[in-house]
Amino acid sequence: NAGVTQTPKFRILKIGQSMTLQCTQDMNHNYMYWYRQDPGMGLKLIYYSVGAGITDKGEVPNGYNVSRSTTEDFPLRLELAAPSQTSVYFCASSHQRELKETQYFGPGTRLLVL
Amino acid sequence: GNSVTQMEGPVTLSEEAFLTINCTYTATGYPSLFWYVQYPGEGLQLLLKATKADDKGSNKGFEATYRKETTSFHLEKGSVQVSDSAVYFCALNAGGTSYGKLTFGQGTILTVHP
Repeated sequence: NAGVTQTPKFRILKIGQSMTLQCTQDMNHNYMYWYRQDPGMGLKLIYYSVGAGITDKGEVPNGYNVSRSTTEDFPLRLELAAPSQTSVYFCASSHQRELKETQYFGPGTRLLVL
Repeated sequence: GNSVTQMEGPVTLSEEAFLTINCTYTATGYPSLFWYVQYPGEGLQLLLKATKADDKGSNKGFEATYRKETTSFHLEKGSVQVSDSAVYFCALNAGGTSYGKLTFGQGTILTVHP
């Protein structure tokens, strides 16, 4: 059971380039989330999805896009990379939205935009 | 809105010392509260949780009690080990239309020396 997997682990982008961060979970979870973690800060929610075909914005969505065509996959797209998007990105999933549900996190993708 | 405030870090302790990391929250309704731990180079993993007032979460010698009257969820451990060195995040799930989204504190870096 792999849990939540993310690729790549690390990437350097030039300003204006695009890339997709991949996230896959094998726990058949309905809910999936993308967070970013900046140094000395907590995690902030970028986008989330409550099921295939349904996505919504979180706290910091600008500069990002997502899609959810299957239950397993939730890719995050950066269209025009900017230095402000240098961060560590975490994908997470959970079975339900219930109060007591635990979110399971992937290992993260470290992104550097120069 | 919902928010979580953790004590300022970093925290440096000697092995076998007592640990307290303070966490207070602001939320409407009755959230669930979580402590997540992030070991170097890894993603976040659940350490413990409490889903209603006066509940005590515990795991690996760590404990935290959900105090509604003081809106707090302080993390404690009686005797820390070098292997406890990590970043600790307090978080809440407000439930309802938050769709399972977690609100995080800024994280507290703990370093334990032999």
